[in-house]
Amino acid sequence: GEDVEQSLFLSVREGDSSVINCTYTDSSSTYLYWYKQEPGAGLQLLTYIFSNMDMKQDQRLTVLLNKKDKHLSLRIADTQTGDSAIYFCAESPTAYNNNDMRFGAGTRLTVKP
Amino acid sequence: NAGVMQNPRHLVRRRGQEARLRCSPMKGHSHVYWYRQLPEEGLKFMVYLQKENIIDESGMPKERFSAEFPKEGPSILRIQQVVRGDSAAYFCASSRTARNGYTFGSGTRLTIV
Repeated sequence: GEDVEQSLFLSVREGDSSVINCTYTDSSSTYLYWYKQEPGAGLQLLTYIFSNMDMKQDQRLTVLLNKKDKHLSLRIADTQTGDSAIYFCAESPTAYNNNDMRFGAGTRLTVKP
Repeated sequence: NAGVMQNPRHLVRRRGQEARLRCSPMKGHSHVYWYRQLPEEGLKFMVYLQKENIIDESGMPKERFSAEFPKEGPSILRIQQVVRGDSAAYFCASSRTARNGYTFGSGTRLTIV
């Protein structure tokens, strides 16, 4: 089965908050990431959080980590049509090897005007 | 454009043909990673190369798939005798060192007919 799981679709209205959820199974996950993929483009790193943190805020983005439940969420405040994209959750057990990173299937966020 | 360049963007091959996917890393990046994304699945690590060397190919199928990253020129992912199951999006990422974050290319969508 998948090591990192996300729901595939989310639809919100412009101006609302979006919450994208992710669960992972590896208890040794040290770094957790959110990537954004716009149509026809590669993945861009949005933000990341270390496992010893439970929250990180960066402008409209808030990342929440519940390490006990292995649950990660990305909240986008005041969602805009430009936020429509696929959002990938990823986790890595170490900071030493990029090839250890595991990705979820991605959540397609659709923002309706 | 200083980003990671992948070409072609779309590639159609008949069963039994060969597919060659190219990736030019960002300037100054000597580490290249290839990922495959099947429909509605996360990115799966395939292979990690560092100039002329394969560092980790644990995610690459043993048969028909090969990768190289020559001293000069792009990294090539080669799939021989393609089958329908090879249809996927193939992403390349590069980094300056094994510990830095990735930069992803836009991917090559391979379709086998």
